Order: sequence, then C-alpha cells, then structure tokens
Amino acid sequence: QKEVEQNSGPLSVPEGAIASLNCTYSDRGSQSFFWYRQYSGKSPELIMSIYSNGDKEDGRFTAQLNKASQYVSLLIRDSQPSDSATYLCAVIEGYGGSQGNLIFGKGTKLSVKP
Amino acid sequence: EPEVTQTPSHQVTQMGQEVILRCVPISNHLYFYWYRQILGQKVEFLVSFYNNEISEKSEIFDDQFSVERPDGSNFTLKIRSTKLEDSAMYFCASSDPGVRDEKLFFGSGTQLSVL
Repeated sequence: QKEVEQNSGPLSVPEGAIASLNCTYSDRGSQSFFWYRQYSGKSPELIMSIYSNGDKEDGRFTAQLNKASQYVSLLIRDSQPSDSATYLCAVIEGYGGSQGNLIFGKGTKLSVKP
Repeated sequence: EPEVTQTPSHQVTQMGQEVILRCVPISNHLYFYWYRQILGQKVEFLVSFYNNEISEKSEIFDDQFSVERPDGSNFTLKIRSTKLEDSAMYFCASSDPGVRDEKLFFGSGTQLSVL
C-alpha cells in the first residue's frame, strides 16, 4: 500500500512567521511531487510542484525534495492569515506513473494568527 | 480563468438508488479524472479517462462505478446502487498533458449524501 504521510496538525504560527510543512512518502519510485492548498469545504488548489532534489521557490513558497530520504517539505515565508488552510502533499506513484493518478496525504491544517 | 464545473453541488439520495454526477472539464483539456474525499479523510483517486476510455482506476472504482463522456463537453460519474459509504465529496478534474507541471484543475465538487 503506497502511502503519503503528513502530520495532521494543527500547526499554528503567528502572522509574518515561516510555516514549515512536512511530508514523507513510501514509494521510492515516485518522481513527481505536489503541494495543494484546500480551504474548508473547497477543492484542492495546486500551489507547487517539484521533480528534482533540492529547493524550488515560487514567491513566498519554497518546496524542498529529498528523494533519498523520501521527504518533501513546503515552507511558507511571511505567513498571512489568508494562508490558513489544509495543505495536502500529493505524489504520483511509481516511475512513469499516469499523469493525475495522485496519492494524497491527509493534509496538515495550518492556522496563521494575526 | 477557465474552470471545471460540476453539477449538482449537493446530491441527496436513498441507499440503493443510482446517481449521476456531472462535470464539464476545461474545453481544451484531454485528461479527465474523478476523485472523492470522505469527510475528514484523504482525497482519493478514483479513475482517469483519456481518449474516450479509462486509462487507470483505483480499487475503489468497482463495478458499481462507471464513467462516460456522452458528448464533447460533459464527463459523468455514475454510481449504480449507492451505499452509505459512498457519501463523500466527489471532485472532477481535468488536465492538459502538453503543459509542464501536470497541473490538475479541480471542480468545486459535488457533495453526495446517501441516506
């Protein structure tokens, strides 16, 4: 059973701080990794994708991937109350796995306090 | 921005009844998907659809489920005989395989309640 694990939280940070979200995955053959944001009662929204080891930055967001440790993380700098949501880690299983066949983690609930 | 639309937003049905959930993917997208999320649980992959046939399906997608693209715009999920455990939010998604990042665009979902 291929798994994506996340700490469910809630993770609470003050406004302006860095929020750090972590994810581990079980399928060593996975090549594609994604972070989605999901507001309560809404659909997932893609915020970052990462395919290679190292860091990838997009605005206030930085995704980090370490395939040897099977670990993906998301850093949110200068956190805002509007960032309060559940953050879902998702992985496409296996090498050459079908596009869109995502395995999601349960998500980490982030709360940014003003 | 183009969007995936789903109807209805809420569907209440009796156990054993058939339901059809409808989706209109983004017009130039070629891959279509159904996911579901039981309250408080993970988003789970059900099925992917490409070139008018199922390209992949999960263990959840058993004989009670079917998908269809009846015309050039709609994409439907049918559950033949609903069970209580089918109660969930069902998300349709579509993607353009020519675009890097394999971005899935999700619809706003249909909340299915089986009584």
